[in-house]
Amino acid sequence: KAGVTQTPRYLIKTRGQQVTLSCSPISGHRSVSWYQQTPGQGLQFLFEYFSETQRNKGNFPGRFSGRQFSNSRSEMNVSTLELGDSALYLCASSLQGTSGQETQYFGPGTRLLVL
Amino acid sequence: AQSVTQLGSHVSVSEGALVLLRCNYSSSVPPYLFWYVQYPNQGLQLLLKYTSAATLVKGINGFEAEFKKSETSFHLTKPSAHMSDAAEYFCAVCRGGSNYKLTFGKGTLLTVNP
Repeated sequence: KAGVTQTPRYLIKTRGQQVTLSCSPISGHRSVSWYQQTPGQGLQFLFEYFSETQRNKGNFPGRFSGRQFSNSRSEMNVSTLELGDSALYLCASSLQGTSGQETQYFGPGTRLLVL
Repeated sequence: AQSVTQLGSHVSVSEGALVLLRCNYSSSVPPYLFWYVQYPNQGLQLLLKYTSAATLVKGINGFEAEFKKSETSFHLTKPSAHMSDAAEYFCAVCRGGSNYKLTFGKGTLLTVNP
């Protein structure tokens, strides 16, 4: 099976712009989660989607949003970019996202640099 | 609330030496615990996970971890370090149900010296 794929791998934007990141989960996985990784804050949970519905959201401003399509692919959008949004954005997929013992499989991430 | 604490942001060992990476958790319910590894410019790869089936969990690349409820710990070990083990290691706890998410520790950077 192919793993989790994320596009693009690298992105450079300027302050005030918006950006859309894409994630394709492992085939058959219906839960997709997004995490932000920065040197200062570490790995932080952004949100989780299942069957096109956001089920859970982390403590991030409304500029961060996402969606999931019927084929389980997911996108996340960041509007009005700030310098502090520079980070590695990781997507993870799991089968159902209901039990805490389910493994989340991570993609390679999208590295966003905001200038 | 669930959380994990990784003691030591940087651990340095010699090749062939024991690797010990520490993780303590706090959880109001029996936890599901994970160790992930991240190589430079890559995503996270699962090393092993504890799901209450057995307290000693064996993972990939010769790593193992022991769940100790009395100490609220889930330390990661490997008997003999290899140069290829140099990476950052993350301990995480996961909640299920309506609050399904991984909560990560700050990570431990492992350096292996020849």
